[in-house]
Amino acid sequence: EPEVTQTPSHQVTQMGQEVILRCVPISNHLYFYWYRQILGQKVEFLVSFYNNEISEKSEIFDDQFSVERPDGSNFTLKIRSTKLEDSAMYFCASRDPKGASYGYTFGSGTRLTVV
Amino acid sequence: GESVGLHLPTLSVQEGDNSIINCAYSNSASDYFIWYKQESGKGPQFIIDIRSNMDKRQGQRVTVLLNKTVKHLSLQIAATQPGDSAVYFCAERRYGNKLVFGAGTILRVKS
Repeated sequence: EPEVTQTPSHQVTQMGQEVILRCVPISNHLYFYWYRQILGQKVEFLVSFYNNEISEKSEIFDDQFSVERPDGSNFTLKIRSTKLEDSAMYFCASRDPKGASYGYTFGSGTRLTVV
Repeated sequence: GESVGLHLPTLSVQEGDNSIINCAYSNSASDYFIWYKQESGKGPQFIIDIRSNMDKRQGQRVTVLLNKTVKHLSLQIAATQPGDSAVYFCAERRYGNKLVFGAGTILRVKS
């Protein structure tokens, strides 16, 4: 079964450093998303991406965040200057709008720890 | 500030019993709903979905009920097994195509 792949599985970074979280969505999917989940809390929407541009973003997704699809397969989330409160699980998801059930598929996540 | 920790409701059931997990959603314009299962350290895993023009949908051992009048969604798991132990989230699709997740319910299955 096709899956969304995320790397690394765990990233530890110093406060103020830049991090890039990587995702390989399912190959024929057209919509891409980043979500985050602070420990013990619900999954929160960050940003959606379609046709090489951001289609929607949440208030969490401020100027410190950016997304990019640098080639035909990768989808990245960059945090320019990490803060302690950025520590969370970050999930990538992709979607095939022609899928029978709208087809949102999530990756296993990257645990980001900011120290 | 907000405290971090598990403040989720917990449902404990005996193995073999049926489980019912409930969810209240907020936006009457949401047109699509999904139940996800999340095991520790993993991403949300699709269980079952339902469109807003339906009120019931059945899968293998799972049934989702949608009551749009009171904006309520439920997930029924038949013959609950230890492998069903996880956190369960409902999610609604708002205008656009983002999903908005509910708070989650911990399901604990006792053998």
